[in-house]
Amino acid sequence: GDSVTQTEGLVTLTEGLPVMLNCTYQSTYSPFLFWYVQHLNEAPKLLLKSFTDNKRPEHQGFHATLHKSSSSFHLQKSSAQLSDSALYYCALRAGYQNFYFGKGTSLTVIP
Amino acid sequence: AQTIHQWPVAEIKAVGSPLSLGCTIKGKSSPNLYWYWQATGGTLQQLFYSITVGQVESVVQLNLSASRPKDDQFILSTEKLLLSHSGFYLCAWSLVWGNNYAEQFFGPGTRLTVL
Repeated sequence: GDSVTQTEGLVTLTEGLPVMLNCTYQSTYSPFLFWYVQHLNEAPKLLLKSFTDNKRPEHQGFHATLHKSSSSFHLQKSSAQLSDSALYYCALRAGYQNFYFGKGTSLTVIP
Repeated sequence: AQTIHQWPVAEIKAVGSPLSLGCTIKGKSSPNLYWYWQATGGTLQQLFYSITVGQVESVVQLNLSASRPKDDQFILSTEKLLLSHSGFYLCAWSLVWGNNYAEQFFGPGTRLTVL
């Protein structure tokens, strides 16, 4: 079936170090992948989405590349900032109306 | 521009009491609509989705029900609240389809506390 697996639990990083949150998926359809970010007491917001034309999406210094060969859409940033501390979800749209979210990764950036 | 509203913003209810949460989308015709629940400190759990008026599919019920009485409105309800219903309820919408418009957008959410 369709599913998303992402780095789970808590990730703590020192400011300035690179960020990499893993996301892999299984999809019976041509997949669309997304990263959402959720700050405390707020709704999730779209951070990045995959494109059909192999462009690499970037936003707020984050980027991710859809690799269909490895079924992955890892989130990366070269240098973590304190303001990046949040909950991150990888999500898959598989077909007409089906969305699947990973269990979320809580990123904490420390000075 | 499309907007999504949820009401109420927050609610404190007693165990066993009824509940009705609402969501309205403006600026989009016939979107797909979704209800999610998030326990405090927990992950997103999809509850229901709807692709058209009057049609709702259950993903996980949690003793809740949903209805779509109008194209732009999605309602979540129960006749008897449980303590386990506490959490953050999020409404979301997506376009029916489109290569560059596949994502889901979330409303601001309703914080529910059941005592």
